[in-house]
Amino acid sequence: DAEITQSPRHKITETGRQVTLACHQTWNHNNMFWYRQDLGHGLRLIHYSYGVQDTNKGEVSDGYSVSRSNTEDLPLTLESAASSQTSVYFCASRLTEWVTEAFFGQGTRLTVV
Amino acid sequence: DQQVKQNSPSLSVQEGRISILNCDYTNSMFDYFLWYKKYPAEGPTFLISISSIKDKNEDGRFTVFLNKSAKHLSLHIVPSQPGDSAVYFCAATSYSGAGSYQLTFGKGTKLSVIP
Repeated sequence: DAEITQSPRHKITETGRQVTLACHQTWNHNNMFWYRQDLGHGLRLIHYSYGVQDTNKGEVSDGYSVSRSNTEDLPLTLESAASSQTSVYFCASRLTEWVTEAFFGQGTRLTVV
Repeated sequence: DQQVKQNSPSLSVQEGRISILNCDYTNSMFDYFLWYKKYPAEGPTFLISISSIKDKNEDGRFTVFLNKSAKHLSLHIVPSQPGDSAVYFCAATSYSGAGSYQLTFGKGTKLSVIP
């Protein structure tokens, strides 16, 4: 079955380290997204991509970067992890901009100490 | 400024009764609305959606109502079941204007269905 997977599911890292969270989907979806979920804030968009080599900043992009070298993957990199980036991160994908339903991965819980 | 608002952080309902979850939006460019359901330690899953050209959409026990003039939508669950206990997120998107096609989420409402 087609799916979207995130790895790792849990990670603890130290302040200042570079961290990369992986997201892989097998639906051949053009659009991919990264969100973070924090108590009191719901789901906030970090970065998104509408196709290979396309990346865009979302609402809370500072300190994060993404790259889209193929259809299946959108890794999220924290350049220098900060305690404020402790959160649960969700990757999502959808077929195109004209299909509004997005499918989410199971999430990565990141703790920055 | 929050464009999608879910003003009730939590809601408790007896099993078998109706659950009503509310959502308000401020951006008049939004023209498509979705509800997602999230269980602990899982990703959100799509539940039901509605286009701005409609005022109601039903799918089994779930009905979404849209009042465009009030910029308000609601999700009705009838009858509520213990398995419906989850966090529900309201989301909105636009097919035109700034931020087109992006999903903007509310903060979520935690529904507890009491057996």
